Amino acid sequence: GAGVSQSPSNKVTEKGKDVELRCDPISGHTALYWYRQSLGQGLEFLIYFQGNSAPDKSGLPSDRFSAERTGGSVSTLTIQRTQQEDSAVYLCASSLVGGGGSYNSPLHFGNGTRLTVT
Amino acid sequence: GENVEQHPSTLSVQEGDSAVIKCTYSDSASNYFPWYKQELGKRPQLIIDIRSNVGEKKDQRIAVTLNKTAKHFSLHITETQPEDSAVYFCAEYITGGGSNYKLTFGKGTLLTVNP
Repeated sequence: GAGVSQSPSNKVTEKGKDVELRCDPISGHTALYWYRQSLGQGLEFLIYFQGNSAPDKSGLPSDRFSAERTGGSVSTLTIQRTQQEDSAVYLCASSLVGGGGSYNSPLHFGNGTRLTVT
Repeated sequence: GENVEQHPSTLSVQEGDSAVIKCTYSDSASNYFPWYKQELGKRPQLIIDIRSNVGEKKDQRIAVTLNKTAKHFSLHITETQPEDSAVYFCAEYITGGGSNYKLTFGKGTLLTVNP
């Protein structure tokens, strides 16, 4: 079946411009994560959505970063007034989380959006 | 708080040798521990996971062990092959009654298998 889809795959933007990154999770997956990965580095947690609950925004690095998830499906990550240090691969992942808190399922990652701020 | 430490950061082995990567977590409520493999330029993919009700799980050449008392879990790769070369990430996932389902990753281990 279809996996997690991210667009665009590559984005080059000038410093100071705003960008929007899109993520289409696997159908039926209620949990959606955004991570950032700089070259040769680990996976930096940004934000997490779970169903209709308030998102966990604890990983967003500054108020220039925001994310939405409409209708419990598609998510957009917006970076305002981009800076060169925002250059990285932005990865989206989704998972099917069962009820009762006793079942977990693995994350399925998209291919990411490579953002370059010049 | 939630924190998972991963060691070593880099690991180089000869083809056919074994490789072991260790992770330590801090939250005793953690009950699910996946391992992801990320090949160069590709997305991370799940290779094996373990839940807190078991101490070991195997899948062909890879295995994961969990020590809940010591709060650490390890990835074991036997008979390593060049295609095992990648970055490996451990993760800690807290579930069960709370609202925080956040998956937190270790910083990764770059494994190089030399032919």
